[in-house]
Amino acid sequence: AQSVAQPEDQVNVAEGNPLTVKCTYSVSGNPYLFWYVQYPNRGLQFLLKYITGDNLVKGSYGFEAEFNKSQTSFHLKKPSALVSDSALYFCAVRDIERQLTFGSGTQLTVLP
Amino acid sequence: GAGVSQSPSNKVTEKGKDVELRCDPISGHTALYWYRQSLGQGLEFLIYFQGNSAPDKSGLPSDRFSAERTGGSVSTLTIQRTQQEDSAVYLCASSVTGEDNQPQHFGDGTRLSIL
Repeated sequence: AQSVAQPEDQVNVAEGNPLTVKCTYSVSGNPYLFWYVQYPNRGLQFLLKYITGDNLVKGSYGFEAEFNKSQTSFHLKKPSALVSDSALYFCAVRDIERQLTFGSGTQLTVLP
Repeated sequence: GAGVSQSPSNKVTEKGKDVELRCDPISGHTALYWYRQSLGQGLEFLIYFQGNSAPDKSGLPSDRFSAERTGGSVSTLTIQRTQQEDSAVYLCASSVTGEDNQPQHFGDGTRLSIL
């Protein structure tokens, strides 16, 4: 069975500092990996995806993520955090036979 | 509108009542998904529609839950004889196709509260 782990329920970072939101996954085949963001009382918004190719994927709002096959990780990163980045972030994985499986989410708070 | 639309945005009902939740996907999207998001938890897959194919119902938690999609567009999720544990946010998403590399576009959800 496929699974996703987001080991941190909460991440706090000062505005202007780099941020990392961690994600590890487990799938039986080649993974398709996604990051979504959720603002209060809203649905999820797509940020970026890894399907194949370059391990560093760039997405919306200056976010990027690095696929590491040996560590089965897909951490979300941003070089300089903004207060407006404060939200709930979800990592998700899909392989060819199954539906999208989401992590439990990480609440990011960027402090001014 | 251009996005996925869900109604109602909030629903409060008494235990034992039936509820219907509606989803209007993005025009032209053939794939439609329903998820449940409980407080403090991630998203739980419920059901998936792709074109005219039989839906994937593998995530429905009990036979009280059902969904249909009429004309390949609008979908309705029905919960019969609601229980308090059904309280959650129900999210609908659509994608251009059901292919694995397609991102899903989400509505803002229906917040269901069972008294």
